[in-house]
Amino acid sequence: KNEVEQSPQNLTAQEGEFITINCSYSVGISALHWLQQHPGGGIVSLFMLSSGKKKHGRLIATINIQEKHSSLHITASHPRDSAVYICAVRSETSGSRLTFGEGTQLTVNP
Amino acid sequence: NAGVTQTPKFQVLKTGQSMTLQCAQDMNHEYMSWYRQDPGMGLRLIHYSVGAGITDQGEVPNGYNVSRSTTEDFPLRLLSAAPSQTSVYFCASSDTLLGNTEAFFGQGTRLTVV
Repeated sequence: KNEVEQSPQNLTAQEGEFITINCSYSVGISALHWLQQHPGGGIVSLFMLSSGKKKHGRLIATINIQEKHSSLHITASHPRDSAVYICAVRSETSGSRLTFGEGTQLTVNP
Repeated sequence: NAGVTQTPKFQVLKTGQSMTLQCAQDMNHEYMSWYRQDPGMGLRLIHYSVGAGITDQGEVPNGYNVSRSTTEDFPLRLLSAAPSQTSVYFCASSDTLLGNTEAFFGQGTRLTVV
């Protein structure tokens, strides 16, 4: 079992829909990252959180430390949101090392 | 502020050839790392460095070498390329001195070994 599990692996939505991507992890963590990767492009950091909730524009990230679970929400989805979304964690014992989930491929159709 | 600069963006190698992937950051970050990304897998750590002169192995270090002579640069060397090293490679950096901080990634190198 991977230390970081994402669901779903693939997600197709219609423009305007509310989207949720989930991340579960099995180790104690010091921080969790949500990253975005566009086709043929690099990886950019969306959020880093260790508790609670963060919001940036139409993106919201939440984390429940007790349940070892995080969610990334996209409100009013748009085709430009189509990308791979990756969850990564820094464990309490690994210093700066990140462990990554496999990613969720999101496609938003117009 | 360029962030993390990774070159080349694409490369095709023949089996047995060697090459160096370049990575440079201008944020004075202590921590730098190299990952490979393969279909159906999360990014996997190849090598990392916590500062100039200090490097260590990650999950999949075989066939790769690194060095960190300066804070800015962290090149990844493929000693004798094999088809199994066909992958997309990412360099990343973060500032460990401030605790949990954002990670910055390069644009990636798509490597094909034939």
